[in-house]
Amino acid sequence: GQQLNQSPQSMFIQEGEDVSMNCTSSSIFNTWLWYKQEPGEGPVLLIALYKAGELTSNGRLTAQFGITRKDSFLNISASIPSDVGIYFCAGQPPTGANSKLTFGKGITLSVRP
Amino acid sequence: DTEVTQTPKHLVMGMTNKKSLKCEQHMGHRAMYWYKQKAKKPPELMFVYSYEKLSINESVPSRFSPECPNSSLLNLHLHALQPEDSALYLCASSQAPGGVGDTQYFGPGTRLTVL
Repeated sequence: GQQLNQSPQSMFIQEGEDVSMNCTSSSIFNTWLWYKQEPGEGPVLLIALYKAGELTSNGRLTAQFGITRKDSFLNISASIPSDVGIYFCAGQPPTGANSKLTFGKGITLSVRP
Repeated sequence: DTEVTQTPKHLVMGMTNKKSLKCEQHMGHRAMYWYKQKAKKPPELMFVYSYEKLSINESVPSRFSPECPNSSLLNLHLHALQPEDSALYLCASSQAPGGVGDTQYFGPGTRLTVL
């Protein structure tokens, strides 16, 4: 089945630093989604990408849909303590009534004040 | 508005109990999903409803029984669960199942503990 590779499992950064996360796959996807999840809560959609090469920003967050359709990255600039959480990438495979969202394993981000 | 609501927030049940989880969305989405999530793991798909019909069952044990009374509501009926079923249960919805640009929005989840 399709798999998304997200690594490392954990990242530790200093407040104010920028951080970049990658998500790669051996299969192509039509949509890339980035979610953030805090303890005890559901995943919250941060950015959705729908076209190869698309670069989208949401405040301090920037994400890109790779030109090969097999990867995506998320950048967080000027990190703050509330950026702490688990960041999941997810990909929607080429369309079909039964196409399912594939998730990466997630990256736990810690921000030191 | 991209809100999906879930009740209850927390649920503790014994292995002989029957309980239900509820999910609601008012975004006009035609696809609704149930996921199970263990700590620090990605969500695992359980069921998909497309236009109020069950379209995907990921070989989920029959002690989990989904129901979609209408396009805004999704229930998950629980019966004779096992302790290993303890997890965060997430509901999600999207505009058109598998369609171009389909994007899933998640609810806050129900933390289920089976004793």
